Amino acid sequence: EAGVAQSPRYKIIEKRQSVAFWCNPISGHATLYWYQQILGQGPKLLIQFQNNGVVDDSQLPKDRFSAERLKGVDSTLKIQPAKLEDSAVYLCASSSPPGLASRETQYFGPGTRLLVL
Amino acid sequence: GESVGLHLPTLSVQEGDNSIINCAYSNSASDYFIWYKQESGKGPQFIIDIRSNMDKRQGQRVTVLLNKTVKHLSLQIAATQPGDSAVYFCAETNGGGSRLTFGEGTQLTVNP
Repeated sequence: EAGVAQSPRYKIIEKRQSVAFWCNPISGHATLYWYQQILGQGPKLLIQFQNNGVVDDSQLPKDRFSAERLKGVDSTLKIQPAKLEDSAVYLCASSSPPGLASRETQYFGPGTRLLVL
Repeated sequence: GESVGLHLPTLSVQEGDNSIINCAYSNSASDYFIWYKQESGKGPQFIIDIRSNMDKRQGQRVTVLLNKTVKHLSLQIAATQPGDSAVYFCAETNGGGSRLTFGEGTQLTVNP
């Protein structure tokens, strides 16, 4: 099956500019996640969607970050305005409801590498 | 806040040797643990998982050990190959939801 798709793969912007990332999850996966991964660190969850509803956005800097998943499939993550410390890899992941004997496994996309100058 | 961390930032082994990557966690409520492998330029890839009601689980060439007494998790890779070179992350979650908390990663380098 096709994996999680993300675009663009790389983005360089200047501080105070805006940027948007796009994610297409694995077909049929109801849950979608956006993570921020700073160089040398593990991914940190920014926001989790269940279909088109937000489940967890407690770690999303809402003054500058926003995300939406209008039709319960694709999602966009936006940063406006960007700061130097936003330089990171932005990972999208998706998962499907677990079976009786399993837990949800999150499948990650390749990420978008953002550099803010 | 509670977090998951790794003891060693880097590990270098010879091809064919066994590798052991360690992880300490602090959230005693965690009940599900996962190891991910992340190659350069790619997203994390699921390797193996273990629930808190188990202390060992084996996969193909990989074994995960869980010691809940000391809140320690390890990943053992048998007969390490050059293709195993990557950053390895442990992640944990609790029964309240599926939010994963990742550690900072161990860079494994396999020397031919």
